[in-house]
Amino acid sequence: SQKIEQNSEALNIQEGKTATLTCNYTNYSPAYLQWYRQDPGRGPVFLLLIRENEKEKRKERLKVTFDTTLKQSLFHITASQPADSATYLCALGDSNYQLIWGAGTKLIIKP
Amino acid sequence: DSGVTQTPKHLITATGQRVTLRCSPRSGDLSVYWYQQSLDQGLQFLIQYYNGEERAKGNILERFSAQQFPDLHSELNLSSLELGDSALYFCASSVVKSGNYGYTFGSGTRLTVV
Repeated sequence: SQKIEQNSEALNIQEGKTATLTCNYTNYSPAYLQWYRQDPGRGPVFLLLIRENEKEKRKERLKVTFDTTLKQSLFHITASQPADSATYLCALGDSNYQLIWGAGTKLIIKP
Repeated sequence: DSGVTQTPKHLITATGQRVTLRCSPRSGDLSVYWYQQSLDQGLQFLIQYYNGEERAKGNILERFSAQQFPDLHSELNLSSLELGDSALYFCASSVVKSGNYGYTFGSGTRLTVV
C-alpha cells in the first residue's frame, strides 16, 4: 500500500543552522509534492510545490528537492530562526490528483 | 487571515447529537476540501467538492455528509456523534479541481464530543 514517512521524532536545530526535513514514500509515483507548515491548533499553511520533473525549488530561505529515484523529498530551511519552529507536513499528489499527507515532523529551533 | 472562514471555532456537544460545520472558501476558489485531524493522527481527507459537485471521497463515515452550495460555501454534517469524532475539522480551498496547486486552509473547528 502507499506509504509516506516523515520523521516522527522532533528535530532540534540550533538557531542559524540549516534544518533539513525528510519525506520518504513507497509504492507510489506522485506527480508533485507539497510542503506545509502547521502551528499548534492552526490550519496548515502552504509553502512550496515541486513537480516530478523538477529537481529543486527555492523560496526565500526555503529549498525543496525531489528525487523520484530515491522516492524522497528534502525540505531545507537555511539560517533557521526560533519563529520557524512548527510542524512541517509533506503531501503527495496521487493519480486522481488528491493529496496524501504525511504525519509531519515537529521542528524546534533553539536560540 | 487565510481567506477561508470556518465557523464555529469551537463546538462541544453530547454523544448521539448532530452538528453542522460551515466553510466559506477563499474568494475565487472553486474547490472545497474537508479534513479531520485527531491528536494522534495526521490529516485525514474526508471529501472534496468542486463548483457544487462532489469530486472525491476519502475516509468519510456514513454518519457524515457534506454539500457545497451555489455560493460555493460548504457544510459538513456530522450525526450520531461518538466520542471518537472529537477532533479538529479543517476546510481547505483551491482554485483548481486537482491537487497540483496549493491549498488554503481555514483555522478549523474544534469539535469536542462528551
